[in-house]
Amino acid sequence: GAVVSQHPSRVICKSGTSVKIECRSLDFQATTMFWYRQFPKQSLMLMATSNEGSKATYEQGVEKDKFLINHASLTLSTLTVTSAHPEDSSFYICSADNRGNIQYFGAGTRLSVL
Amino acid sequence: DQQVKQNSPSLSVQEGRISILNCDYTNSMFDYFLWYKKYPAEGPTFLISISSIKDKNEDGRFTVFLNKSAKHLSLHIVPSQPGDSAVYFCAAIPTSGTYKYIFGTGTRLKVLA
Repeated sequence: GAVVSQHPSRVICKSGTSVKIECRSLDFQATTMFWYRQFPKQSLMLMATSNEGSKATYEQGVEKDKFLINHASLTLSTLTVTSAHPEDSSFYICSADNRGNIQYFGAGTRLSVL
Repeated sequence: DQQVKQNSPSLSVQEGRISILNCDYTNSMFDYFLWYKKYPAEGPTFLISISSIKDKNEDGRFTVFLNKSAKHLSLHIVPSQPGDSAVYFCAAIPTSGTYKYIFGTGTRLKVLA
C-alpha cells in the first residue's frame, strides 16, 4: 500500500515552455501533498505544501507564479513549471502523507530545460 | 541554516558488518524523526521512524537510536548487504503540526561485497 505515482519521469523542454508534473496517490487519499526539489548531491528542499481544495503554501524563496501547484482532488496534485529556463533544470519529487507522520514519495521527475 | 545535518557525506562498509549513519539536529522543537533510503533517479523510500518520546526503535535489520540531550540520532544496519548501498536521509518533523519534513544532507552508503 501507500503508492505514489509521479509522471513524467523525465522531461526535456525548450526554454520558455511550461511543463506539468503530476503526482497521484494510488491507494490512499492524501489530504496533503508536498513538492520538493533536489539539486545534485544536495538535500531535498521543500518547495510547497499542497492541501486539497485550497491554495498551496510556498516556502520562502519559492516563486509561486513560477511554480504553480494545483491539488484538485484527494489523489492528485500537479506542479506546473511556467516559462521554464535552464536554471529550473532539476529533480522534482512529490510526496503524499496519508494522515500520519510518514510521507510516501513519487519516483521523481528529471527536468532538463535547453 | 541547516537544522538537520548529516556530517558524513559518504560511508563504506564491508558486507555483513554494521553500518552506522549519523544525524544531528539543532532545533529542540522536533517531535518525530525518520530515515529514508534513496537510489539514484528515484524518490526516497521510508525505512524507519522514531518519536521524540522514545530512544530506540527496531525493525528487522534497522535500528534507530535517539539521544535527545545530544540532539543526535543514528541508524544502525546490521548485517549490511550490498543492496543497502544508497543515499540515506534523516528527516525531522517540527512540532508545528504541519507534518513538514526537514531533511538532512544525506549520506551515501556503499556496502562492499
